[in-house]
Amino acid sequence: KAGVTQTPRYLIKTRGQQVTLSCSPISGHRSVSWYQQTPGQGLQFLFEYFSETQRNKGNFPGRFSGRQFSNSRSEMNVSTLELGDSALYLCASSLSGGMSGEKLFFGSGTQLSVL
Amino acid sequence: SQQGEEDPQALSIQEGENATMNCSYKTSINNLQWYRQNSGRGLVHLILIRSNEREKHSGRLRVTLDTSKKSSSLLITASRAADTASYFCATDNQAGTALIFGKGTTLSVSS
Repeated sequence: KAGVTQTPRYLIKTRGQQVTLSCSPISGHRSVSWYQQTPGQGLQFLFEYFSETQRNKGNFPGRFSGRQFSNSRSEMNVSTLELGDSALYLCASSLSGGMSGEKLFFGSGTQLSVL
Repeated sequence: SQQGEEDPQALSIQEGENATMNCSYKTSINNLQWYRQNSGRGLVHLILIRSNEREKHSGRLRVTLDTSKKSSSLLITASRAADTASYFCATDNQAGTALIFGKGTTLSVSS
């Protein structure tokens, strides 16, 4: 069974640009969560999607958005990039969501650098 | 806000020694999970312990949970260089709508 796939692995953007990151969950998993990881703040929860619906959202500005498709693949978008958005963005999938006591399966992440 | 906080932030030991990491959390939980992250990679699930369990084992890992103290510990016995990684505890947020991670303990095992 293929694991969680995130693309691209590395991305360099400049301030003001927008970026779209992609995540393909494990086959059969319907929940996809996104996290931002920085050295200072650690892992911060962005949002979680289940069956194409955003169920939960963390405390991030509206510049951060996401969506999930019918095949459970998910994308997250960051508009008007700021230097502080430089981070490792991690996607995780599970059958119905880690908060239900299930384990999350993580991708290798997308390392975003904003110059 | 962080639900879990790991302690210590960093730990350096020799191969063969045991490593103990602690996690404290703020509100009542249904379960607590531990994950490992190798440098710059995704997290890997290690073990889950439910609120009605006090101890759980998986190979060289031993996890304890004390709900009265709102704390958990992860013990890695007979550490190996390959155990060098960051270790995170994760719990539900207060509303039960997200899995929240602590800032992690960075373990360095030298040979």
